[in-house]
Amino acid sequence: ETGVTQSPTHLIKTRGQQVTLRCSSQSGHNTVSWYQQALGQGPQFIFQYYREEENGRGNFPPRFSGLQFPNYSSELNVNALELDDSALYLCASSAAGTGVYSPLHFGNGTRLTVT
Amino acid sequence: AQSVTQLDSHVSVSEGTPVLLRCNYSSSYSPSLFWYVQHPNKGLQLLLKYTSAATLVKGINGFEAEFKKSETSFHLTKPSAHMSDAAEYFCVVRPSGYSTLTFGKGTMLLVSP
Repeated sequence: ETGVTQSPTHLIKTRGQQVTLRCSSQSGHNTVSWYQQALGQGPQFIFQYYREEENGRGNFPPRFSGLQFPNYSSELNVNALELDDSALYLCASSAAGTGVYSPLHFGNGTRLTVT
Repeated sequence: AQSVTQLDSHVSVSEGTPVLLRCNYSSSYSPSLFWYVQHPNKGLQLLLKYTSAATLVKGINGFEAEFKKSETSFHLTKPSAHMSDAAEYFCVVRPSGYSTLTFGKGTMLLVSP
């Protein structure tokens, strides 16, 4: 069973730039969600994708956007980067639609630093 | 709306002594509750979950948690700490019917020899 994999592991960008983070979901999982974990904080929900549609969003501005592909992998895009976007970005996958809650399985995250 | 309060930002114990990590929650709906652990430079690993079955939940690595509705608490315990338990622990709530999670701010567990 392949777990959740994220790339890249580390990234340094300059304020104002754009960034794309990638996530491959665990085998058999059709739902992907993204979380932002600032230093010293718990993860905060950004959004969730199910069957290539966004079906839930946290309190993040529109410059945070995403995609889910037919193979259930996903991208997180952030435009006009700000210093406060520096954080660990975590991707999690689960198997929705089974009638039974499927716990989230997390990747190891992408550490984004904005200078 | 739901929220999670982890009452201690840091807990220090000696190896072989009991561990208690405290968590209080609030939720508008019957929640599911979880504890996740995060080792340095790693993702989050599910320790245990409460989903309205038995109120005492056993997880991996000897951890367990008790759901107390009257106290809105879900404290995590382990009888005997091991050096490998040193990590950050997150208490998490998920309202019924929703799949998104609300995390507490975390408790760093330090284990000394």
